[in-house]
Amino acid sequence: QSALTQPASVSGSPGQSITISCTGTSSDVGGYNYVSWYQQHPGKAPKLMIYEVSNRPSGVSNRFSGSKSGNTASLTISGLQAEDEADYYCSSYTSSTTLVVFGGGTKLTVL
Amino acid sequence: QVQLQESGPGLVKPSETLSLTCTVSGGSITNYYWSWIRQPPGKGLEWIGYISYSGYTNYNPSLKSRVTISVDTSKSQFSLKLSSVTAADTAVYYCARVGDSRYWYFDLWGRGTLVTVSS
Repeated sequence: QSALTQPASVSGSPGQSITISCTGTSSDVGGYNYVSWYQQHPGKAPKLMIYEVSNRPSGVSNRFSGSKSGNTASLTISGLQAEDEADYYCSSYTSSTTLVVFGGGTKLTVL
Repeated sequence: QVQLQESGPGLVKPSETLSLTCTVSGGSITNYYWSWIRQPPGKGLEWIGYISYSGYTNYNPSLKSRVTISVDTSKSQFSLKLSSVTAADTAVYYCARVGDSRYWYFDLWGRGTLVTVSS
């Protein structure tokens, strides 16, 4: 069981927007603005998409955005494209001894 | 640009020690923290631990008794040792760079290496 809770799957049609949630506690997501999001295509390494809740690394499309409310962080992908189909993982710093926790991952299907 | 590459045996016997090395190329190993993260087949990501360029370490408590991470700055490498492995340790092991140790995100990843624990 992962420390952060994500939906197992989400889907959307090309051009639509989708949101993936990531729920934690006040010891991680809710307590710090240290949430990051990763995209992972099959057989590939994860790729950083969002850091510090809402910052995009250079080269990441502005169709990807992040936000947080309370103990839940969200990743929104607008203008869905076929290439966005992948697994997405959230991560957060935690004040527990574990230091870093991940969500269980969400499989995004572009219909 | 900076690249990370994992290397090591792809097959380890139960009860033995898993040993992997990550080579950092195209940039300096100093001024950053470096992590190991693993992913069992078909499952999610698990943070194993990190090491600073000066050698300070911190491990996931669930693995702490079996994990050792070390760094060799002269070779631009850091390494993972996981002792007393079982089938549950079968996973793709990734090395990754901590983009900012204040905020704990991983901005560069190796391609990963599959380690299977089996006799």
